[in-house]
Amino acid sequence: DAGITQSPRHKVTETGTPVTLRCHQTENHRYMYWYRQDPGHGLRLIHYSYGVKDTDKGEVSDGYSVSRSKTEDFLLTLESATSSQTSVYFCAISASRGNYNEQFFGPGTRLTVL
Amino acid sequence: AQKITQTQPGMFVQEKEAVTLDCTYDTSDPSYGLFWYKQPSSGEMIFLIYQGSYDQQNATEGRYSLNFQKARKSANLVISASQLGDSAMYFCAMRVLTGANSKLTFGKGITLSVRP
Repeated sequence: DAGITQSPRHKVTETGTPVTLRCHQTENHRYMYWYRQDPGHGLRLIHYSYGVKDTDKGEVSDGYSVSRSKTEDFLLTLESATSSQTSVYFCAISASRGNYNEQFFGPGTRLTVL
Repeated sequence: AQKITQTQPGMFVQEKEAVTLDCTYDTSDPSYGLFWYKQPSSGEMIFLIYQGSYDQQNATEGRYSLNFQKARKSANLVISASQLGDSAMYFCAMRVLTGANSKLTFGKGITLSVRP
């Protein structure tokens, strides 16, 4: 357990509304990630952060923005939710395990856009 | 760009038997790491095993071992003595180790069902 929490855990919203998902970590890790998981696609990287106010795009970043104003919090925002953004969203951190870095995942947020 | 391929359909194994889950990868970078994660029906992602591209021996973690064949670019997961609790989705993932970032590229996953 790397002390990662996500909120909310479940959300149903309507098309066109803004949505913000929060990832919180308690162990001061530098790298944080947002993935989405969809059937037949595995996990795909949306955005990641390598420090406070330092973020970059992943492979499926369109329609998403992120912010990291504090080390412990990484926010994912859907400015105007669409049905194609219905998915399970995972936050992750990267932590050293000796000779390699392992990614630890949060419990996930199930988002439904109607 | 990195790519992970998991093409097996849903896998079935009898309890107490061994099973191999296939993973092939593609990268032009010589320094990389390969990971396997388990996702049970409850949804959490559980790290299982890691193999570095320069590791001389195949990785093992309890009942899990990784059959790493570098020339063939394959990193198959072997689960020995399957248990009912091994029924889950399994994901292979890769990270290129050059550069500061540590983002993972995932395969699409394989569903494993263990029969009693």
